[in-house]
Amino acid sequence: LAKTTQPISMDSYEGQEVNITCSHNNIATNDYITWYQQFPSQGPRFIIQGYKTKVTNEVASLFIPADRKSSTLSLPRVSLSDTAVYYCLVGDMDSSYKLIFGSGTRLLVRP
Amino acid sequence: GAGVSQSPSNKVTEKGKDVELRCDPISGHTALYWYRQSLGQGLEFLIYFQGNSAPDKSGLPSDRFSAERTGGSVSTLTIQRTQQEDSAVYLCASSSYRGSGNTIYFGEGSWLTVV
Repeated sequence: LAKTTQPISMDSYEGQEVNITCSHNNIATNDYITWYQQFPSQGPRFIIQGYKTKVTNEVASLFIPADRKSSTLSLPRVSLSDTAVYYCLVGDMDSSYKLIFGSGTRLLVRP
Repeated sequence: GAGVSQSPSNKVTEKGKDVELRCDPISGHTALYWYRQSLGQGLEFLIYFQGNSAPDKSGLPSDRFSAERTGGSVSTLTIQRTQQEDSAVYLCASSSYRGSGNTIYFGEGSWLTVV
């Protein structure tokens, strides 16, 4: 599994766009990039997954540059309820379940 | 079901007692996983099932821990002779291999407190 590095914490205000970048220099050819969100006392919730370029769904966008050594989770117009820990994971289909989440990024959204 | 379902949601047990935690994965998902998360810590992988077989049990912390899956669906994680250090949230997850990134969906967890 590729090692990932994320900021420990970020602060934002309601209505702003938040971008959380994850570095994964050792990403392998078969690896996918997946982001999870976790609230206190709850299980992680899948947000978005991608392999290259850009992926967008109803809650977020994921930007992956050509070299795939990093990725950026973009949350448009955050609200207070987006306050959570965000985890970036990199792995191939056969090993990604080991899910070494690490410390993640604690996002605090202020009013 | 619509999501991964776990029971009980909360369990308080006395040290030395056995506990069983149940997981009902998303319908049709062939892969099932158990994880443990201690307070303020990251996830710790315990065991992985593909169908009814467990190709990876490497995360089980001791022989007091065991898991089974029957009918390719429901799984039970059993902890024998519980210890206080077993107190944690036990998370179950499931996924379906579809030839692309393996998206893993989690349940809400079973909170275990050993007193």
